[in-house]
Amino acid sequence: AQKVTQAQTEISVVEKEDVTLDCVYETRDTTYYLFWYKQPPSGELVFLIRRNSFDEQNEISGRYSWNFQKSTSSFNFTITASQVVDSAVYFCALSETNYGGATNKLIFGTGTLLAVQP
Amino acid sequence: ETGVTQTPRHLVMGMTNKKSLKCEQHLGHNAMYWYKQSAKKPLELMFVYSLEERVENNSVPSRFSPECPNSSHLFLHLHTLQPEDSALYLCASSQDLGSGGSTDTQYFGPGTRLTVL
Repeated sequence: AQKVTQAQTEISVVEKEDVTLDCVYETRDTTYYLFWYKQPPSGELVFLIRRNSFDEQNEISGRYSWNFQKSTSSFNFTITASQVVDSAVYFCALSETNYGGATNKLIFGTGTLLAVQP
Repeated sequence: ETGVTQTPRHLVMGMTNKKSLKCEQHLGHNAMYWYKQSAKKPLELMFVYSLEERVENNSVPSRFSPECPNSSHLFLHLHTLQPEDSALYLCASSQDLGSGGSTDTQYFGPGTRLTVL
C-alpha cells in the first residue's frame, strides 16, 4: 500500500537557520511522482515541486532544495537561510502512475508545521 | 481572477441546513477534485471529476453531493451534516488525470472552512 510519512510534526527554528523537512514514502510501483506543497495560514496549498521516480537529480530553487534518494525512499526538503515567511505547514505527497482510467490520486503525509522565529 | 478560487471562505451551518460550496478554476484544466482536511489527519480525497464526469467517489457519505456543470466549476452540496464534518474543504484542479505513465500536478484553492454546529 502507498504511504507517506512525515515524522516531524513541528519544527521551530530561528530566522536564517537552515532546516530540513523529512519525507519517507512507500510504494510498490516503479514509476511514481512525489510532490511538496506549502500551506500557509491562509489555507491554500501552494505547489512547490514535482519529481518523477526516474529523476534522482537534486533540485535547487532559490533557498529551496530537494534531495531525492530512491535507495532510502526519501524525498527531503531543505530551506536555506529560513525566513519568517517560510512559516507554514509543508506536505509531502505521492502519486502512482496512471495507466488510463486512473484518478490521479495524491497520497499526502500528515504535514510538518514549520515555525520560523524572528 | 487567477488560479483556483473557492467561495465562501468560511461557513457556519446547523445540522439541518443545506448549503453549497463553490469552486472555480481559471487554468483551463479538465479535472477537478474535492478534498477534506481535518485537524491532525492527512488530506482525504473525496471526489474526482474529469470532463464533468465523476470518476471517483471515495466512500463519501451521501450528505455530501458533488456537481460539476462544466470543467471550470465544481460544487459540493451539503445537507444534514454532522459536527464531525467540520473541516477545511479544498478544491483542486489539474490539466487532466494523467495518462501513459504520467501524472498531472494538482493546483489548490484557498479552501472553505466549514463549521457544523
